[in-house]
Amino acid sequence: DAEITQSPRHKITETGRQVTLACHQTWNHNNMFWYRQDLGHGLRLIHYSYGVQDTNKGEVSDGYSVSRSNTEDLPLTLESAASSQTSVYFCASSRLAGVDEQFFGPGTRLTVL
Amino acid sequence: GENVEQHPSTLSVQEGDSAVIKCTYSDSASNYFPWYKQELGKGPQLIIDIRSNVGEKKDQRIAVTLNKTAKHFSLHITETQPEDSAVYFCAAVPGYKLTFGKGTLLTVNP
Repeated sequence: DAEITQSPRHKITETGRQVTLACHQTWNHNNMFWYRQDLGHGLRLIHYSYGVQDTNKGEVSDGYSVSRSNTEDLPLTLESAASSQTSVYFCASSRLAGVDEQFFGPGTRLTVL
Repeated sequence: GENVEQHPSTLSVQEGDSAVIKCTYSDSASNYFPWYKQELGKGPQLIIDIRSNVGEKKDQRIAVTLNKTAKHFSLHITETQPEDSAVYFCAAVPGYKLTFGKGTLLTVNP
């Protein structure tokens, strides 16, 4: 069965370190998204991609970057982790852009000390 | 950009009762309104959606209504069961990106 996976599921890091969160989907979807989930804020879009070599900033992109070298993967990098980036991160993918179901991964809980 | 307000933030009901969650949106260009359910420790999952050319949609015990004039849409769950306990998110799509509400924690008491 097609799926979307994230790794690691839990990560503890220190302020200033670079961290990369992996997202891999086997749906062959062109569209992939990264969200962060914080209490009181719901899900907020960090970055998204509509295809290979395409990346776009979302509403909370500062301090994060993504790259899309193939259809299956969209890794999220925190260039220099900050305590404000402690959060749960979700990756999602969809077949069509916009008016289509997004399939979410299980999430990565990141703690920055 | 789009702004989605969701109410209430928490909702507690007795098993068998109905539950209603309401959302408003700001961008009149929004034309797609999905609802996601998130169980503890999992990612959100789509449970129902509605497009702007439809006023109501039903799927077994859940239904969604849309009032484009007033820019609001609602999720209705009838005959609630303990397994309905979760966080529910509404969203609006004015173009190609989802803007989510802040979520409603629904607790169904046996």
